[in-house]
Amino acid sequence: AQSVTQLGSHVSVSEGALVLLRCNYSSSVPPYLFWYVQYPNQGLQLLLKYTTGATLVKGINGFEAEFKKSETSFHLTKPSAHMSDAAEYFCAVSDRDNQGGKLIFGQGTELSVKP
Amino acid sequence: GAVVSQHPSWVICKSGTSVKIECRSLDFQATTMFWYRQFPKQSLMLMATSNEGSKATYEQGVEKDKFLINHASLTLSTLTVTSAHPEDSSFYICSARHRTGTSGYNEQFFGPGTRLTVL
Repeated sequence: AQSVTQLGSHVSVSEGALVLLRCNYSSSVPPYLFWYVQYPNQGLQLLLKYTTGATLVKGINGFEAEFKKSETSFHLTKPSAHMSDAAEYFCAVSDRDNQGGKLIFGQGTELSVKP
Repeated sequence: GAVVSQHPSWVICKSGTSVKIECRSLDFQATTMFWYRQFPKQSLMLMATSNEGSKATYEQGVEKDKFLINHASLTLSTLTVTSAHPEDSSFYICSARHRTGTSGYNEQFFGPGTRLTVL
């Protein structure tokens, strides 16, 4: 069965510093990969996804992630953190059959940004 | 485009009552909708997959008689929590997918969630 592991339930960075949120998946076949952001009491917003093609994926708000098959990883980065980036971030995967389907989410990483 | 709404956004009910949550795709037809549950400070767990015109497929451990799902049209799915109890208090989020395309990934779009509190 597929699984997703996010290392670190809480990450704290200073404003302007690099953001690195880690995600590893367990799957015999590379799945579709996603990063979502969730603000308090709100739904999920898609930051970026990897389905095929270039392994470095650029998303909204300056975020990007790189799919590394050899490491079964899909870490999320942003060069310079902004206060508005403080939120909960979820990595997720879905099978490639049925054009993707149910999403399996990681445990989430809460990002705090210090002024 | 691709907006999904949920109603109500929050609801408080007494133990033993039933609560219905609606999930609507506002500007597209959704052949498939998914229902997720999220406890405070935790991740989202898929409860069931709902296909228009057919019975929902429930994940292991989810009571189908407790969480009734109906997907009667291409723009509406409902989740009814029957005989709700305090342990059912949670954040319920739905997502919706377009009609299946010809190939490649078919994206899910998420609703804003419904906060259920059972007293």
